Amino acid sequence: ILNVEQSPQSLHVQEGDSTNFTCSFPSSNFYALHWYRWETAKSPEALFVMTLNGDEKKKGRISATLNTKEGYSYLYIKGSQPEDSATYLCALKTSYDKVIFGPGTSLSVIP
Amino acid sequence: SQTIHQWPATLVQPVGSPLSLECTVEGTSNPNLYWYRQAAGRGLQLLFYSVGIGQISSEVPQNLSASRPQDRQFILSSKKLLLSDSGFYLCAWNGEAPYNEQFFGPGTRLTVL
Repeated sequence: ILNVEQSPQSLHVQEGDSTNFTCSFPSSNFYALHWYRWETAKSPEALFVMTLNGDEKKKGRISATLNTKEGYSYLYIKGSQPEDSATYLCALKTSYDKVIFGPGTSLSVIP
Repeated sequence: SQTIHQWPATLVQPVGSPLSLECTVEGTSNPNLYWYRQAAGRGLQLLFYSVGIGQISSEVPQNLSASRPQDRQFILSSKKLLLSDSGFYLCAWNGEAPYNEQFFGPGTRLTVL
């Protein structure tokens, strides 16, 4: 059974702080890694799709890196703002077409 | 552009009652469709996926079933709800191949009492 893990489970940071969290996945059968942001009372929305070892993606103050050989991805938020408060999900897409979600990291940014 | 609808938005049902949640997709044809559930304090769990009309794959044994009567309609059902069926149910479809990120509907909050 493939397992995707995320850490920490939850995080509280002050406005303006930078933060990062981790997604770990089995590197066998890797096809793509997705990051999603899930705000309260909304649906998860895709942030990044990452496919190649060493990939780095950026969207505004949020960026992500990918290491497929060791099976991890980092999500970074620079200068956190209250509107960044959400649960961040990563999901592994395998080479046999399964998408497996991690449990998420819940981020609260305190004004 | 593609949109995905789910209803109802919230539902409170007694134990033992039936369930029917509906999901419809617009702006695409022959999508892969998915039902996920998030139970309290847990991650997103894939329940069912469908690659076409009448084709359903179940990921975990459970009290629920799914059907796809039309290309862009996906239904989640139960004959008798359990307390453990409470949670937030999301329908999703696949983005473009080959990387297929998921696009989610607005979700249904189900409380079984």
